[in-house]
Amino acid sequence: ETGVTQSPTHLIKTRGQQVTLRCSSQSGHNTVSWYQQALGQGPQFIFQYYREEENGRGNFPPRFSGLQFPNYSSELNVNALELDDSALYLCASSHSTDINSPLHFGNGTRLTVT
Amino acid sequence: TQLLEQSPQFLSIQEGENLTVYCNSSSVFSSLQWYRQEPGEGPVLLVTVVTGGEVKKLKRLTFQFGDARKDSSLHITAAQPGDTGLYLCGVLANAGGTSYGKLTFGQGTILTVHP
Repeated sequence: ETGVTQSPTHLIKTRGQQVTLRCSSQSGHNTVSWYQQALGQGPQFIFQYYREEENGRGNFPPRFSGLQFPNYSSELNVNALELDDSALYLCASSHSTDINSPLHFGNGTRLTVT
Repeated sequence: TQLLEQSPQFLSIQEGENLTVYCNSSSVFSSLQWYRQEPGEGPVLLVTVVTGGEVKKLKRLTFQFGDARKDSSLHITAAQPGDTGLYLCGVLANAGGTSYGKLTFGQGTILTVHP
């Protein structure tokens, strides 16, 4: 069973630039959620994708957008990067029909905006 | 205002000591989850509690859900350096669509166990 994989592991960008982060879900999982985790804080929900559509969104501006592909992998795109976007971005997959199965998190992408 | 308040924020103890971490809220939840996150890794689910007053044990870790389902605690007996990490409590919160997978986390407790 392949776990959740994220790429890249680390990324440094400049304010105003755009970034794309990638996530491959665990095999058998068709739902992907993205979280932002500031240093020393708990993760905050950004949005969830199911059947290639956004299925709920947290309190993040529209410059945070996503995609899900037919193979259930997903991308998180952030436009017009700001210094406060520096954080660990976590992807979690789950099986949509099993509400008792846990979220499986990847190890994240550490984004630094300078 | 945080939906979930965790305390303490930081905990630094010696190997062999006992400790308790708390997760409190003014809201009632149908279930609550505890995760541990080690440096450089994503959170890993430890337990889900669903019934008021429920106690679950996972080796040296004991989890309790409050009778009113508003709070929870995690107790570690005889802590070991391998227990070091960020401990997070989380609950499912509605963000449109289905509720599944939309966890709201507390700010976490950073535990350091010294050999």
